[in-house]
Amino acid sequence: GAGVSQTPSNKVTEKGKYVELRCDPISGHTALYWYRQSLGQGPEFLIYFQGTGAADDSGLPNDRFFAVRPEGSVSTLKIQRTERGDSAVYLCASSLEGAAGEFDTQYFGPGTRLTVL
Amino acid sequence: KNQVEQSPQSLIILEGKNCTLQCNYTVSPFSNLRWYKQDTGRGPVSLTIMTFSENTKSNGRYTATLDADTKQSSLHITASQLSDSASYICVVSNYNTDKLIFGTGTRLQVFP
Repeated sequence: GAGVSQTPSNKVTEKGKYVELRCDPISGHTALYWYRQSLGQGPEFLIYFQGTGAADDSGLPNDRFFAVRPEGSVSTLKIQRTERGDSAVYLCASSLEGAAGEFDTQYFGPGTRLTVL
Repeated sequence: KNQVEQSPQSLIILEGKNCTLQCNYTVSPFSNLRWYKQDTGRGPVSLTIMTFSENTKSNGRYTATLDADTKQSSLHITASQLSDSASYICVVSNYNTDKLIFGTGTRLQVFP
């Protein structure tokens, strides 16, 4: 594919449920990032993968959030026991090198809009 | 504290006019500064990226400036078009952590 894709585009769930959000990065990009964006705010960093490993997960708000990238390509963000405060747009981005590249451009997907009722 | 502040919060201009968006940051140590354009319902798209040694960089009708001494940047849009209507986000990278710190954006609306 030409760019970063995310599925689903919209997800509505009930409080307490479990959700999975998927990100397909640009082929060949080693770095993958997850961000959360609330209305009227800039994206907030959640986690950064370099290959299969989470190089920095300091942005995950609590242990209800977890992300994997088992084969170094597709990533899944998992949220357990969802709360209304989790409602936001979850953005995924990928870049060729990641933190090692000073001028590395991050290419963003369209995001998944999560609504927790 | 690493912060990025943008002004104005929102802006309305007429098609064909120019405008300038501002960004102030306190991120230290500084690595680079990026401007992104985010259309409604889409992910951000990179417009420019500058290091401390660069004062200005252009991308078509977009021109970004950087003053690393005063920690200020601006994005100037020339001859605005309806398609320029979007949020413009200033992003600063911390040299030590490599993290991108996002501003809250300026919401630009261009009217015919």
